Amino acid sequence: SAVISQKPSRDICQRGTSLTIQCQVDSQVTMMFWYRQQPGQSLTLIATANQGSEATYESGFVIDKFPISRPNLTFSTLTVSNMSPEDSSIYLCSVEFGGPTPNTEAFFGQGTRLTVV
Amino acid sequence: AQSVTQLGSHVSVSEGALVLLRCNYSSSVPPYLFWYVQYPNQGLQLLLKYTTGATLVKGINGFEAEFKKSETSFHLTKPSAHMSDAAEYFCAVTRGTGGGNKLTFGTGTQLKVEL
Repeated sequence: SAVISQKPSRDICQRGTSLTIQCQVDSQVTMMFWYRQQPGQSLTLIATANQGSEATYESGFVIDKFPISRPNLTFSTLTVSNMSPEDSSIYLCSVEFGGPTPNTEAFFGQGTRLTVV
Repeated sequence: AQSVTQLGSHVSVSEGALVLLRCNYSSSVPPYLFWYVQYPNQGLQLLLKYTTGATLVKGINGFEAEFKKSETSFHLTKPSAHMSDAAEYFCAVTRGTGGGNKLTFGTGTQLKVEL
């Protein structure tokens, strides 16, 4: 298993500003994922972040809006840039162990609840 | 492409009653299926998963799910609900192409347990 800590747990931000969310894992992991959970909706994968390479973004998400860093095997950040009220969501960090197979288990942080006003 | 449909965004049961949360999937490859639970202000926790083998999967907290390929279903059940089961439940499927756990989630079902 893994202990995943996300900071901040919640924030209220002004439109037009940016927020960086941190994800710290208590052990080394190969793959880290960032998800968004909009109000009343399910989780949507934003991007996959591997250490030492550029993040891979899903359709509908771009690096300019959601830049991601992955400086080492235990840490990642997601920045929500130039925020608008539509960015109000819960953002979750997820990790997996055991290599890139569908059979591995994903572990999730507690999420960052972002409100943009 | 993979997708998941959860029927019923809200389900209410009495304490001690059967819990049944429905999940149907669509997948172009053999699916790996998951159920996650999310308690208020917490991250998602894995309840159970189906990969291969036995189609009846037992998970934590007394939950189980049965993979039925003919019905493309993976419904979650628990014989007797407890107040502590009140939470949101998500069914998910992986891409199944070896690209890591890129999960596609259903829209979730909020379970309410009443006295």
